[in-house]
Amino acid sequence: AQSVTQPDIHITVSEGASLELRCNYSYGATPYLFWYVQSPGQGLQLLLKYFSGDTLVQGIKGFEAEFKRSQSSFNLRKPSVHWSDAAEYFCAVGAAGSLYNFNKFYFGSGTKLNVKP
Amino acid sequence: NAGVTQTPKFRILKIGQSMTLQCTQDMNHNYMYWYRQDPGMGLKLIYYSVGAGITDKGEVPNGYNVSRSTTEDFPLRLELAAPSQTSVYFCASSSLMTGGTYEQYFGPGTRLTVT
Repeated sequence: AQSVTQPDIHITVSEGASLELRCNYSYGATPYLFWYVQSPGQGLQLLLKYFSGDTLVQGIKGFEAEFKRSQSSFNLRKPSVHWSDAAEYFCAVGAAGSLYNFNKFYFGSGTKLNVKP
Repeated sequence: NAGVTQTPKFRILKIGQSMTLQCTQDMNHNYMYWYRQDPGMGLKLIYYSVGAGITDKGEVPNGYNVSRSTTEDFPLRLELAAPSQTSVYFCASSSLMTGGTYEQYFGPGTRLTVT
């Protein structure tokens, strides 16, 4: 069965420190992988996505993620965290298909990031 | 483009009441989705649509209904509200035809409380 696991429910880092948020997936087909961010009271905003090619992808706000097929992982990283990065982060997986084949997204349960001054 | 818009932003319902959550997108996307988000549970898919006139159930469809008469609109109907439907509801849309992009675009959400 398809699933996405984000093993860390809460993470606290100091401002300026590096960050890594973990995401592991289980998916039978070739995955498309996504990271979304949700600020309090807001909808979800796409940070970055991986479809194919270079396994290290760059996103907005200085985030990057690396796809490791052998580990079924797509971890999100940022070298230096800013206070404005405090939010909830969701990993999601989907699959390629034709226009008439619905391809569901599977979301992880999210990781809440707190940033200490 | 306004993207995906949802109304209302907040609503309190009494048990047994009905309501419709509105969702509109102006990106000409084929696919539209309704999710609910409960604390610590991530997003669960309620219903989805692959185009006007075509809808299907997601993971948690009980207690909800949808319709898709136009490409732009995808309303979600709660017929007999129950406390278990207290949640934040997100509408999203996506398209496989938009230059190869596939990500879902989300609305700002509707916070619903049933008491």
